[in-house]
Amino acid sequence: QKEVEQNSGPLSVPEGAIASLNCTYSDRGSQSFFWYRQYSGKSPELIMFIYSNGDKEDGRFTAQLNKASQYVSLLIRDSQPSDSATYLCAVTDYFGNEKLTFGTGTRLTIIP
Amino acid sequence: DAGVTQSPTHLIKTRGQQVTLRCSPISGHKSVSWYQQVLGQGPQFIFQYYEKEERGRGNFPDRFSARQFPNYSSELNVNALLLGDSALYLCASRSHGAELFFGSGTQLSVL
Repeated sequence: QKEVEQNSGPLSVPEGAIASLNCTYSDRGSQSFFWYRQYSGKSPELIMFIYSNGDKEDGRFTAQLNKASQYVSLLIRDSQPSDSATYLCAVTDYFGNEKLTFGTGTRLTIIP
Repeated sequence: DAGVTQSPTHLIKTRGQQVTLRCSPISGHKSVSWYQQVLGQGPQFIFQYYEKEERGRGNFPDRFSARQFPNYSSELNVNALLLGDSALYLCASRSHGAELFFGSGTQLSVL
């Protein structure tokens, strides 16, 4: 059974610091990797996706992928209180596949 | 443009009843997926439909069924409700890119 594991947290980070969120996955055939943000009582919204080894940057967010180690991470620079949410890691076995396997999410709290 | 719309937003049912949840994808999106999110967990894939055909099914019992209509809207049906079916049910649609756009969900409570 494919598994995606995340530390459930809560992870507390001071405002302005870097928040680091980690995710490991069990299926070596996974090809596409996603980070979603979910505010309490709301639906998930996509922050970034990555499918090549290395780093991908978008504004304050950087996704890092290491397929050999089956590890994906999300860095949030200059953390803001509005970044306080649950961050969900999701993987799929090919680009465009809508069957995503999600982790349980990491709850992030930014402390003003 | 309107996003993915789901109805109803909240629903309360009793054990053994049947429920139908509805979803309208973003205009132009032909693919719809359904996910179940139990409190404290990540979403779990239930179904995917594309052009009215089932393209994927998750590990859910046959009490769960779905269909997609010619206008690409979709319904999720759950029969013989159990307490454990209480969850947020999310519908998502996709065009040709990687991004799944989620609706705001239907919160189902089974008493």
